[in-house]
Amino acid sequence: EVQLVQSGAEVKKPGESLTISCKTAGYDFYIYWVGWVRQLPGRGPEWMGVIYPRDSDTIYNPSFQGQVTISFDRSTGTAYLQWSSLRASDSAMYYCARQLNGYNYVPYFDSWGQGTLVTVSS
Amino acid sequence: DIQMTQSPSSVSASVGDSVTITCRTTHNVNGYLNWYLQKPGKAPKLLIYAASILQSGVPSRFSGSGSGTHFTLTISSLRPEDFATYYCQQTYSSPRTFGPGTTIDIK
Repeated sequence: EVQLVQSGAEVKKPGESLTISCKTAGYDFYIYWVGWVRQLPGRGPEWMGVIYPRDSDTIYNPSFQGQVTISFDRSTGTAYLQWSSLRASDSAMYYCARQLNGYNYVPYFDSWGQGTLVTVSS
Repeated sequence: DIQMTQSPSSVSASVGDSVTITCRTTHNVNGYLNWYLQKPGKAPKLLIYAASILQSGVPSRFSGSGSGTHFTLTISSLRPEDFATYYCQQTYSSPRTFGPGTTIDIK
């Protein structure tokens, strides 16, 4: 069974650093992209970026480029999303998801983590 | 970036009703269009990918169609578990944007 299990909720202050994780299981993680999605309260999902674990090739949404770092640890099959200096506007739910390429190579997220709630407040 | 719109933004319906949601994109996405369902407090769940292909395990009352910049998701006979928010997503170009969502609630 494909599983993506995310780390728990975080409460941080502005300016602090943070790394949240997404542990993959039940599939060959080398060959599937893993992505991160932000969802602000009451809003639609926002695609942040994806990483290819085999070679760590990463594609960022320009809106998030430079604001976060996406990485993957092949020794543990875990994806990470990292902030060096949080802002209150980073408060949101964050999801990781596995990307498949289906018919006509159309990419889609078929399996999702349960989400990690990040709260940034002074 | 390709922008997405969905209509309606919300709809009230009853069990057994048929509901159609529309998703429009600002550029041709060549069928690279996916649909997700999300319930409160839960992660999105894939329903349809490549505009019309039903994800494994998704009931056949869900169907998708469309091409170019105009796509639809139809639920043919609403069941209680279908009351949720639905999002379209284009994966033709980066960034792979999601629509703003359509909420189906109980009339």
